[in-house]
Amino acid sequence: DAGVTQSPTHLIKTRGQQVTLRCSPKSGHDTVSWYQQALGQGPQFIFQYYEEEERQRGNFPDRFSGHQFPNYSSELNVNALLLGDSALYLCASSPLGGEDEKLFFGSGTQLSVL
Amino acid sequence: GEDVEQSLFLSVREGDSSVINCTYTDSSSTYLYWYKQEPGAGLQLLTYIFSNMDMKQDQRLTVLLNKKDKHLSLRIADTQTGDSAIYFCAERGTNAGKSTFGDGTTLTVKP
Repeated sequence: DAGVTQSPTHLIKTRGQQVTLRCSPKSGHDTVSWYQQALGQGPQFIFQYYEEEERQRGNFPDRFSGHQFPNYSSELNVNALLLGDSALYLCASSPLGGEDEKLFFGSGTQLSVL
Repeated sequence: GEDVEQSLFLSVREGDSSVINCTYTDSSSTYLYWYKQEPGAGLQLLTYIFSNMDMKQDQRLTVLLNKKDKHLSLRIADTQTGDSAIYFCAERGTNAGKSTFGDGTTLTVKP
């Protein structure tokens, strides 16, 4: 049983560009959450997707957007990249619409903005 | 808003016990978690405790929760060099997907 998978593992972009990160949740999970982890800090909640809609959102600007597909996989898009967007982006999935207590994380996408 | 605080570093000798502490501010937290992160990897869920429990033991791991003081601790018995990693405390309300994390405690285990 594959866990949460994310692609790509590493990405280098320049300021002003746009990026798309991808996530496939663990089998049987229907809810996907995205987190940003800056160097030396804990993960910060970006948003959560359930039933193909954004259900909750953290304190991130509109440059951060996402999508969930009918197979529960998800994308995170970031427009007009800033140097400060450099971070590890983690996807996490959970079952039962997020009501289950457990959250499973992928290995992340390391984004570097030059 | 919610806040979670942890001490940044802990160093122990192999075979000793490690205790990592965490405080949180959200009185409506339903679950509290401990995650482990090794270099270049994502977060691995180690254990969690429901907010109406005081203690949970899982093999070498013991979690203690003082809800009155909003204090959570993780004790690792017989710490091994493979336990060297960053440990994150996290809390959540009613939704598993939205958790608030501390900035992590780097545990170094010396042989």
